[in-house]
Amino acid sequence: GAGVSQSPSNKVTEKGKDVELRCDPISGHTALYWYRQSLGQGLEFLIYFQGNSAPDKSGLPSDRFSAERTGGSVSTLTIQRTQQEDSAVYLCASSLNNVYEQYFGPGTRLTVT
Amino acid sequence: GIQVEQSPPDLILQEGANSTLRCNFSDSVNNLQWFHQNPWGQLINLFYIPSGTKQNGRLSATTVATERYSLLYISSSQTTDSGVYFCAVDLFFGNEKLTFGTGTRLTIIP
Repeated sequence: GAGVSQSPSNKVTEKGKDVELRCDPISGHTALYWYRQSLGQGLEFLIYFQGNSAPDKSGLPSDRFSAERTGGSVSTLTIQRTQQEDSAVYLCASSLNNVYEQYFGPGTRLTVT
Repeated sequence: GIQVEQSPPDLILQEGANSTLRCNFSDSVNNLQWFHQNPWGQLINLFYIPSGTKQNGRLSATTVATERYSLLYISSSQTTDSGVYFCAVDLFFGNEKLTFGTGTRLTIIP
């Protein structure tokens, strides 16, 4: 079946602009996660959704970052007033439930100029 | 928070060689996964192995939860095995976020 999909695959934006990143999880997966991968920080957790609720937002680096999930499916990660340090690959993952194996999408490479 | 250490950080091998990658973690875990990140950045699931031993073709993995380590074995390496291998764990039941190790970069030379 279809895996986790993310869009766009690449995004170049100017400093100070807002961006929205999209994640479509595997059908039927109730848990959804956002991570990011940057050269200096490795792979780090951002936020977790169970259904439409976000019980763990502890990884969001600042209040410029927000995420939502609607209909228990698609999720969007929004970064406001982007900064150069936001440049990274943003990865989305989903799992059947919060205790099962996570599957990752191909990521969105964000470059802030 | 939980610490996840992987070794070695880099490994260069001739095609056909065998290798062992190690993952040490600092606390009890409920989930442990091994991933291969290919040159295009995709994280490919290799094993979901919070405990025990699993095999999939030329790859196998063993997790000894009581001693807080996991091993990934790659036999008869091929050039397509090149890439970065990550171990990731989550700490508590209900604490769902994966904490990743820093990875092992494997390069297979023809």
